[in-house]
Amino acid sequence: QKEVEQNSGPLSVPEGAIASLNCTYSDRGSQSFFWYRQYSGKSPELIMFIYSNGDKEDGRFTAQLNKASQYVSLLIRDSQPSDSATYLCAVDMYSGGGADGLTFGKGTHLIIQP
Amino acid sequence: DVKVTQSSRYLVKRTGEKVFLECVQDMDHENMFWYRQDPGLGLRLIYFSYDVKMKEKGDIPEGYSVSREKKERFSLILESASTNQTSMYLCASSYLKLDSPLHFGNGTRLTVT
Repeated sequence: QKEVEQNSGPLSVPEGAIASLNCTYSDRGSQSFFWYRQYSGKSPELIMFIYSNGDKEDGRFTAQLNKASQYVSLLIRDSQPSDSATYLCAVDMYSGGGADGLTFGKGTHLIIQP
Repeated sequence: DVKVTQSSRYLVKRTGEKVFLECVQDMDHENMFWYRQDPGLGLRLIYFSYDVKMKEKGDIPEGYSVSREKKERFSLILESASTNQTSMYLCASSYLKLDSPLHFGNGTRLTVT
């Protein structure tokens, strides 16, 4: 049974602080990992993806991947109230390339307190 | 920018009706997907397609079918709608290659009464 686990939250972080979102996955053969942001009533939008061990930075966002521990995280620096949303971790658990669809965690609800 | 367009934002149908949800993408993506999203259950894959006339079952295909007659269009069909199919339906598309992200449509909120 393929699984992607996230803490549902809510995770409350003061404005300007670092928000840390975590995700674990069950299939050791997974190859691609994605973070999506979803505002209430809207569809998910891609923040970033990672497929190599280590860190990947894009602006205020850093994705971290540890395949040995089957763990992926997202750090948001200098958190802003506009970052308040649900963050979805998604994993490509099949052959790679997303051809078989992604498996999503249930999401972490992040609240940035002004 | 990738555009994935779902034909209806809100839809209300009666139990037993046949329901069609349409999705069109304009980026020549090979892959297309239908997910449903429910509170507490997250996003769950219903069906996907990696080519015209090809379809594969996802995690929860029961009660649904799909059609892909053209590369840009992927339809989800509820043969006989039931109240437990009330949900948000999200269409997505992507390229057939490693690290290709999914691009989502705006979603269709379906209510079956």
